[in-house]
Amino acid sequence: EAGVTQSPTHLIKTRGQQATLRCSPISGHTSVYWYQQALGLGLQFLLWYDEGEERNRGNFPPRFSGRQFPNYSSELNVNALELEDSALYLCASSLASGLAGGITDTQYFGPGTRLTVL
Amino acid sequence: AQKITQTQPGMFVQEKEAVTLDCTYDTSDQSYGLFWYKQPSSGEMIFLIYQGSYDEQNATEGRYSLNFQKARKSANLVISASQLGDSAMYFCAMILGPILTGGGNKLTFGTGTQLKVEL
Repeated sequence: EAGVTQSPTHLIKTRGQQATLRCSPISGHTSVYWYQQALGLGLQFLLWYDEGEERNRGNFPPRFSGRQFPNYSSELNVNALELEDSALYLCASSLASGLAGGITDTQYFGPGTRLTVL
Repeated sequence: AQKITQTQPGMFVQEKEAVTLDCTYDTSDQSYGLFWYKQPSSGEMIFLIYQGSYDEQNATEGRYSLNFQKARKSANLVISASQLGDSAMYFCAMILGPILTGGGNKLTFGTGTQLKVEL
């Protein structure tokens, strides 16, 4: 069974540009999550999508946005890139849990996209 | 707000020995899940083991076991018979329940422990 896939592996952008990161979940998973792992800041939750809807959002500015497509794949967009956006962006997927919350839903991660902003 | 604390930035262990990685958590919720992930230098987060707050028995998965002490709010990972391939960063993480109580399916991670297995 294929795991979570992410593309591209590496992305280099300049300040002010836009970046688009893509994620395909494990087959059968409908929830997709995005996390940022920046040097010195640790792993931080960005977004949760389920059934095409944004269900939860971390403490990030609106220039971080995304969407989930009908096939459950997801895209993360970062507008007006800043130097501090340089990080490893990890996507994860899990089985549907609904708004009641899923404390038993294991999130399986992809290999990540390393974004460098120059 | 929930918090995960990992107090060991780095650990060394001899091959074939057992090692314990510490994790304490802080939440006022009664319902939560605890996870351990391994992150090799390649960057991918690999799920190792899960423990639910209502589980009465400690979780085990192969060479991994979770020493869950609810009253002390600790969830230590025990790796038995360490192998060279176990060298990696290890993260403890917690998930709470519904959004209204601070959950919303987001994992809160600790700062990690870098484990090095030596010959």
